[in-house]
Amino acid sequence: DIQMTQSPSSLSASVGDRVTITCRASQTIRTSLNWYQQKPGKPPKLLMYAASSLESGVPSRFSGSGSGTDFTLTINSLQPDDFATYYCQHNYITPYTFGQGTNLDI
Amino acid sequence: EVQLVQSGAEMKKPGESLRISCKASGYSFSDHWISWVRQLPGKGLEWMGRIDPSDSYSHNSPSFQGHVSISVDKSITTAFLQWSSLKASDTGMYFCALGTYDSGRLGFWGQGTQVTVS
Repeated sequence: DIQMTQSPSSLSASVGDRVTITCRASQTIRTSLNWYQQKPGKPPKLLMYAASSLESGVPSRFSGSGSGTDFTLTINSLQPDDFATYYCQHNYITPYTFGQGTNLDI
Repeated sequence: EVQLVQSGAEMKKPGESLRISCKASGYSFSDHWISWVRQLPGKGLEWMGRIDPSDSYSHNSPSFQGHVSISVDKSITTAFLQWSSLKASDTGMYFCALGTYDSGRLGFWGQGTQVTVS
């Protein structure tokens, strides 16, 4: 299985900050990398797909980059609604594993 | 509007069987894979497996192989996740999710089904 490692595991920031979350795959996954946001008691929400494509309806302050094994999710000008847990997930081959998550709090 | 509506919370005893459901609507059911994702209490997301509703071909993650089975009933546009013998360690939240462009891009999610085994 391909292992996905996110860093940091937790992150504290303030409204208006710019934050970056990284995700590393144990082998190349080209650009087959998705990012999700999850809030307590809710299902995950797809933010980014194919490493750098913004899902419809997601604010443009979210951006993604990377290819191969190293990827980043950047959130510019944090808003109160952005405080949540973020997961990367590869869809290169099955099983589609997730990273362990990054908890972003105020 | 695409919707995935899951069955309600379940409380079971170890060794019992269980089937939970995911009712899909708002799109052509046979055209998109459905995945199941587990979230243990306070933990992260784990991809369990997927099914192609057009032919019922399913594929489980090795971590779940032999312990759960995934099926669909096209006549009622519903996917199922089934256990034949539950363990206490199966306690958690289970989500179904729709692969929108490919089977792994999970663009729509059900609300989750809480399974408690005790």
